[in-house]
Order: sequence, then structure tokens, then C-alpha cells
Amino acid sequence: AQSVTQLGSHVSVSEGALVLLRCNYSSSVPPYLFWYVQYPNQGLQLLLKYTSAATLVKGINDFEAEFKKSETSFHLTKPSAHMSDAAEYFCAGSPGNEKLTFGTGTRLTIIP
Amino acid sequence: KAGVTQTPRYLIKTRGQQVTLSCSPISGHRSVSWYQQTPGQGLQFLFEYFSETQRNKGNFPGRFSGRQFSNSRSEMNVSTLELGDSALYLCASSWDSHRNEQFFGPGTRLTVL
Repeated sequence: AQSVTQLGSHVSVSEGALVLLRCNYSSSVPPYLFWYVQYPNQGLQLLLKYTSAATLVKGINDFEAEFKKSETSFHLTKPSAHMSDAAEYFCAGSPGNEKLTFGTGTRLTIIP
Repeated sequence: KAGVTQTPRYLIKTRGQQVTLSCSPISGHRSVSWYQQTPGQGLQFLFEYFSETQRNKGNFPGRFSGRQFSNSRSEMNVSTLELGDSALYLCASSWDSHRNEQFFGPGTRLTVL
């Protein structure tokens, strides 16, 4: 069964610094992987998705993620953090036509 | 295109009551999934409907049920509400399956007193 693990429930970075949010997956088949962001009192918004077309995936707001099969990882990065990036981020995955499994989320705080 | 809409946005009920939540997917989307989000348990999958049929189901008691109509709109029902059912209930739609990205609604905040 697909499972997704997010390392670090809280991450704080300074404005302008690199953002790195970690996600590892377990799957017996090539997965479909997603990163979502949730702002307070809102639903989830898709940042980017991996569907095996390319290992480096670019998303909205300068976020990107790299699929590394050898490490079973799909970490999310952004070169320079903005105050508006403060939110909760969820990694999610599915082996295929099965339910989407979400990680427990990482709350990102930006320090001015 | 209009996004996923959920009604109502906020709901207060008492223990033992039942509640029905509604979700209208993006036009053309045939898959609707429901999730429960709580601070303690995070995002948990409830069920998915595709073309009026339940295709996947999470590990929730039978008090949680859903259905999908021919226009892809979906409802979920919770009977005999418990305090622990207080949560944000999110609906998401996609064109076909979990291979496609899901688009989420703003959620319904249910409070059970």
C-alpha cells in the first residue's frame, strides 16, 4: 500500500532563504506524487505533480520538487522564501487508480 | 471555470443529530472524493465516487455515507454525530482518477457540541 511520510511537522526559514520540505514515499509501483498547500481556512491548492514524465517538476510560485527513485523521495524546494509562503504543505501519493494518501503535513513559518 | 463549491461552509450540530454536506465539482469532473481533516489525525480519506458509484472507501464507520448524482454533484451524510466528528470536511474533484490532480473546495467546518 502507498504511504507518504513528511519529515518535520514544523519548519521555519528566514525570508529570502531556501525552503526545503521533505517527503518520502513507499510504493511497489511507480507512484503519482503531488504537493499541495493549504492557507488558513481554505482548501488545498495544488503546487505541482509528478507523473513520471520528468524527475524535476516545476510548480507554481517558484516551487519545484525532484523525484529520486533511489531515495524514494520527493522533496519540495523554493530558492527564496517569501512571507506569503507561510502555510501548511502536504505531500500526497497514489500508486495509480487508488485513493490518494496524504502525509501529515508540514507547517512552514517564514521569519522576517 | 468555476471551482469546487461546498455548502454550507460552517455548521454547528449537537451530538446524536445527523448532517448532510454538499459538494459541486468542477464542470466535467466525474470523480469526487471526500476527506476529513482534524488537528490530531490530519487528512483522512473518506470515500470516492465516480459516475455515481463508490469506487474507493476509507476506514470510517458506517455512520459516514455518501452518494453522487448524475450531474456529478455529491453529498456526504453523517448520522448520529459524535463530538469527534468535529472537523473540516473537504471535497475534491478530478477528471478521472487519482492519477489526475484533485481540485479542492474550501471545506465545510462542522462543529459538534
